[in-house]
Amino acid sequence: EVQLVESGGGLVQPGGSLRLSCAVSGFTVSSNYMSWVRQAPGKGLEWVSVIYSGGSTYYADSVKGRFIISRDNSKNTLYLQMNSLRAEDTAVYYCATMTLLTGTDYFDYWGQGTLVTVSS
Amino acid sequence: DIQMTQSPSSLSASVGDRVTITCRASQSISTYLNWYQQKPGKAPKLLIYAASSLQGGVPSRFSGSGSGTDFTLTISSLQPEDFATYYCQQSHRARSFGQGTKVEIK
Repeated sequence: EVQLVESGGGLVQPGGSLRLSCAVSGFTVSSNYMSWVRQAPGKGLEWVSVIYSGGSTYYADSVKGRFIISRDNSKNTLYLQMNSLRAEDTAVYYCATMTLLTGTDYFDYWGQGTLVTVSS
Repeated sequence: DIQMTQSPSSLSASVGDRVTITCRASQSISTYLNWYQQKPGKAPKLLIYAASSLQGGVPSRFSGSGSGTDFTLTISSLQPEDFATYYCQQSHRARSFGQGTKVEIK
């Protein structure tokens, strides 16, 4: 059974930093694509970042240059380092596994989410 | 960036109704389109991938169609557990979601 458990959320001041973790079981992080998706309170889903099995990383324009996605293969854990945080980064952050098909992919397993609040 | 636009943003329907939600992409995305269901306080759940393939364990009353820029999610006979918010998501270039469609009880 695939399980994802996020941690690291909390209250942070504007301009501050936070690192989210996503501990994964039943699925090998290093061999697959993994993503972060966020949801601001009362709003829709927003894709944030992806890390490919080969290590390539991509980001939404809204977080490019401020967030860094990474993984620790030995711990089978995904991370999101968030710097220069803004009020608009306030959201529940989900990590998700991705399944690949020919030329495409989708998010199939999700964690329960961790809330990040950026406020003074 | 590819923009995804869903319509309607919300709808009211009764148990047993046939419900259709549409999703339009700002440029052609072939069939690189997925649908998710989300209930309050819960993570999204994959329903349909690659525009029309039903994810394992998802009831057959859910179906998807379309290609290029226009896509549809259909619930053939709405059940009480289907009241939720539905999102489309493209995986053709980067990834992006539609704004969501909330299905409420009439």
